[in-house]
Amino acid sequence: DAGVIQSPRHEVTEMGQEVTLRCKPISGHDYLFWYRQTMMRGLELLIYFNNNVPIDDSGMPEDRFSAKMPNASFSTLKIQPSEPRDSAVYFCASRPTGVDTQYFGPGTRLTVL
Amino acid sequence: KQEVTQIPAALSVPEGENLVLNCSFTDSAIYNLQWFRQDPGKGLTSLLLIQSSQREQTSGRLNASLDKSSGRSTLYIAASQPGDSATYLCAVRTSGGSNYKLTFGKGTLLTVNP
Repeated sequence: DAGVIQSPRHEVTEMGQEVTLRCKPISGHDYLFWYRQTMMRGLELLIYFNNNVPIDDSGMPEDRFSAKMPNASFSTLKIQPSEPRDSAVYFCASRPTGVDTQYFGPGTRLTVL
Repeated sequence: KQEVTQIPAALSVPEGENLVLNCSFTDSAIYNLQWFRQDPGKGLTSLLLIQSSQREQTSGRLNASLDKSSGRSTLYIAASQPGDSATYLCAVRTSGGSNYKLTFGKGTLLTVNP
């Protein structure tokens, strides 16, 4: 299995631009999680889905952030408009029902200038 | 609100040494606790998961213990090797049922020197 796939791996953009991060979970995993990691705040859960339905989005920082999961094999995290304080590493993780371990992707390093 | 703290933030040891990483959490009503490893530029890999009813878990040279009442967990690494160099994070799942939210500590950066 290829594991959780994220794209792009690196993204550099200018303030005000729209950013879209992509994630392909492991096949058969019905939970998908989006995290953000910064030096100051560590690793924070933004949102998670079960069977493509958002379950908990309480960690989404503000309305500029949105996440979708149109099908079981694809999810996006969008930031519009982006700001320098959004600079971080964004991780996607997935897990199957009945297993508590989450499997993480390699992350997308986002830099907003 | 659950808060997870890891001390020390960084640790450097010579190869072969046994070492202990610490994790503390503020709300002792946890469902389980996990230890993860993160290599530079990569995602997290789960090492050990301890359920709230368990006291410890072992995998190879790793042993994790859990003391719910005191809000503490330790990760013991025996006979450390340079390949153990990484950041180690602990994460707490506070609720059971359908709530799968994990709260992470900021990690301990471990360097094992040859």
